[in-house]
Amino acid sequence: QKEVEQDPGPLSVPEGAIVSLNCTYSNSAFQYFMWYRQYSRKGPELLMYTYSSGNKEDGRFTAQVDKSSKYISLFIRDSQPSDSATYLCAMSQYTDKLIFGTGTRLQVFP
Amino acid sequence: DAGVIQSPRHEVTEMGQEVTLRCKPISGHDYLFWYRQTMMRGLELLIYFNNNVPIDDSGMPEDRFSAKMPNASFSTLKIQPSEPRDSAVYFCASRMDAATDTQYFGPGTRLTVL
Repeated sequence: QKEVEQDPGPLSVPEGAIVSLNCTYSNSAFQYFMWYRQYSRKGPELLMYTYSSGNKEDGRFTAQVDKSSKYISLFIRDSQPSDSATYLCAMSQYTDKLIFGTGTRLQVFP
Repeated sequence: DAGVIQSPRHEVTEMGQEVTLRCKPISGHDYLFWYRQTMMRGLELLIYFNNNVPIDDSGMPEDRFSAKMPNASFSTLKIQPSEPRDSAVYFCASRMDAATDTQYFGPGTRLTVL
């Protein structure tokens, strides 16, 4: 079993939809949780970062961490075609060694 | 700032050949990371450096892989000899210091070993 599990998708939604992306993990020592966005043929870029449990909101994006269930989520409100990308969850016990999910490919169509 | 720079962007080589991938981190960043990305295994950390010193190379798949950082502005990842299963996209990332969390990724090198 992988330390971090992520549904690969693809997930196809209409513009304006609410998108929910999720990851589960097995290592209870993880305390740093991140979401990276990767456009086609580009490197990943940090989108959201959360330490320990709780929610964090940034514009149309909300990250949630439920450590009791070992489950993290990223919500995208009012999705736009420009949100079409692969979303990678990443987590670690310490910030140096990130463990990434395999990524969920999202397509938002007009 | 130009961001993290990697070269070459694409590399096609034949099995058994030596491959060298290059990375220039963002100026002033203390940490440098090498990752490999494949469809099956996703993004995996191979090795990382702090102030040019290798800290953890437990992700390096085997002795055919080696990485160096001779100075703060340059790092190489070498595969010798290369094998078809090494085909992947290799990313370099840098981070400013221990107090920050953001890793900045380069555009990657797409390696194909025939």
